[in-house]
This record gives sequence, structure tokens and C-alpha cells, in this order.
Amino acid sequence: DTGVSQNPRHKITKRGQNVTFRCDPISEHNRLYWYRQTLGQGPEFLTYFQNEAQLEKSRLLSDRFSAERPKGSFSTLEIQRTEQGDSAMYLCASSLPQGALNEQFFGPGTRLTVL
Amino acid sequence: AQTVTQSQPEMSVQEAETVTLSCTYDTSESNYYLFWYKQPPSRQMILVIRQEAYKQQNATENRFSVNFQKAAKSFSLKISDSQLGDTAMYFCAAYMDSNYQLIWGAGTKLIIKP
Repeated sequence: DTGVSQNPRHKITKRGQNVTFRCDPISEHNRLYWYRQTLGQGPEFLTYFQNEAQLEKSRLLSDRFSAERPKGSFSTLEIQRTEQGDSAMYLCASSLPQGALNEQFFGPGTRLTVL
Repeated sequence: AQTVTQSQPEMSVQEAETVTLSCTYDTSESNYYLFWYKQPPSRQMILVIRQEAYKQQNATENRFSVNFQKAAKSFSLKISDSQLGDTAMYFCAAYMDSNYQLIWGAGTKLIIKP
């Protein structure tokens, strides 16, 4: 399967714990995005990487959230000291540069439940 | 602020009928792209159709077509000959070159009844 993959698919944690999610984009895609989606809502932009550089970060992203893409390939999203409000689906997407009309390809998501 | 609005939380039609999902957006930018994405139950988001803002011709992909009214900032999706497999959440989204972000609507839940 050459699509975007995300691990784990589901994560249940207790409030106050740290969690880390991984995203593996399509291999030739240099752009990578993280979104958060709560039930019944559209995705909400969190952050964007071009290669290894984090170029955009949502103002909604608190200091407890951090994302990395150390070698310009896979990315990790870490949430420290999780809160119940962090419960959501975390989506990763990747895309080619602008010439490909900015179509973003999505992974299956990681569903986080904070108890 | 850039916003995307989908005013229909849920729609339901019979199989083989035609259905139109509405979307309006607000932006002051001149260069942007518009998308409709589909998210089936418990499955991942997939692209249905896209439209470049600088193109006047409406995009078409098989049974899916859009009605892009740039002056009105409207971008509706028409699904012809609807099929049971079209049942999903449909999201309208706008991509702005200036901030690399996809701005999403709240979605329309579409149910195709047999």
C-alpha cells in the first residue's frame, strides 16, 4: 500500500499522560499536514511541513502539542499532559508541491480518547 | 478571516436521484483552490473533485460536477445518478497559497436510500 499511513489507529490514554502519533506520507510527497477532527465537524488545521521545515502552525495549537519531521519523511505529533478536550481524530495528509494542484492525500487517522 | 460554510447538515435522497450540496466561502485572496472531499463512515478522507479559482469552466468528474460562482463565492457539488456508495460526509474545503492551509466546512451528511 503506497498511501499515507498512520499509527496507532486508536489510542486510549489517561488524562495527564503523553502520547505520540506517527505519520508516514506518500514517499515522493514533500508536504505534510496534521489536522484534528472532532465528531461531526470538519478537520481543523494544526501544522504544516515542507520537507523537514515546519512552516505553519495553528494559533489554536497549545504549547502541549509539538510536531517534528526530522528527515523530511515521516512525522510525529506529540501531545503532552493530555486533557479530555484533546479527544479527537488526528489526521495526517501529504501532497506534492503546488504544481499538483495542492491535492492532499489523507491517512486513516489516529483516534485519541482521553479518559 | 477565511471561512467555508456548508449550510446543510444532512441530506437524504433516493438512489439514482440527483443531489446538490451547497458551499460558500469567504476570502480576500485572488489565488485559491476549492475541493470537495468525501469521508465514508469509518473510512478515510478522499478527494471527490477540485476547482482552480482562476478557471471559469466548472470541473466535472464522472457523476460529480461543481457549480463554481466566483463572484458569489459559491461552490456547490452535484451528484448525478446517486449510488448507495455515495453515502458519506462531504466536506467543502478551500486552499490558500498564502498560508498553506485547507479551510474546511462543517460537512454535510449525505444518505442515499435504496
